[in-house]
Amino acid sequence: GQQLNQSPQSMFIQEGEDVSMNCTSSSIFNTWLWYKQDPGEGPVLLIALYKAGELTSNGRLTAQFGITRKDSFLNISASIPSDVGIYFCAGPLDKLIFGTGTRLQVFP
Amino acid sequence: EAGVAQSPRYKIIEKRQSVAFWCNPISGHATLYWYQQILGQGPKLLIQFQNNGVVDDSQLPKDRFSAERLKGVDSTLKIQPAKLEDSAVYLCASSPGQNYGYTFGSGTRLTVV
Repeated sequence: GQQLNQSPQSMFIQEGEDVSMNCTSSSIFNTWLWYKQDPGEGPVLLIALYKAGELTSNGRLTAQFGITRKDSFLNISASIPSDVGIYFCAGPLDKLIFGTGTRLQVFP
Repeated sequence: EAGVAQSPRYKIIEKRQSVAFWCNPISGHATLYWYQQILGQGPKLLIQFQNNGVVDDSQLPKDRFSAERLKGVDSTLKIQPAKLEDSAVYLCASSPGQNYGYTFGSGTRLTVV
């Protein structure tokens, strides 16, 4: 079946640093979504991407739909303590499959 | 708008017992999903409903898991009998349709001892 691999698995950064993470699929997707999950909560949608090459921002977050349609990237600029959590890529919309997650820890 | 409501938040049961989880989706959302999230992993789709019909239950272990959405609104997920490996967070999500983003509830954390 389809698999989504995310890297890195975990990141430990200092407040103010920029963060980059990516996600690759074994098959072509027509949509990519990025979610954030805080402890004890369900995932919350951050950004949705619908077209190859699309670059979309949401505040300090920027995500890109890879031109091969098999990958996506998420960048967080100027990280703050509340960015701590697990970031998941997911797709496609008709039957959402989640990636393995990237755990982000931000130190003051 | 109110979010996706789930209950209970936590449940501890012994193996071979039965358990049921309840989900109330966002009003007007036709599509409802149940996901299982094992600790340290991403959520895995168990079943998808469109109104009160099942769209996809290919990942549901049907020998012990069942789910229903009788009136196209609330849904229940049942496990009978539970096994140790069923310990996980069970997440419910809803969306206006199959090609819209999902909104998740806070989940039910199940521990089977």
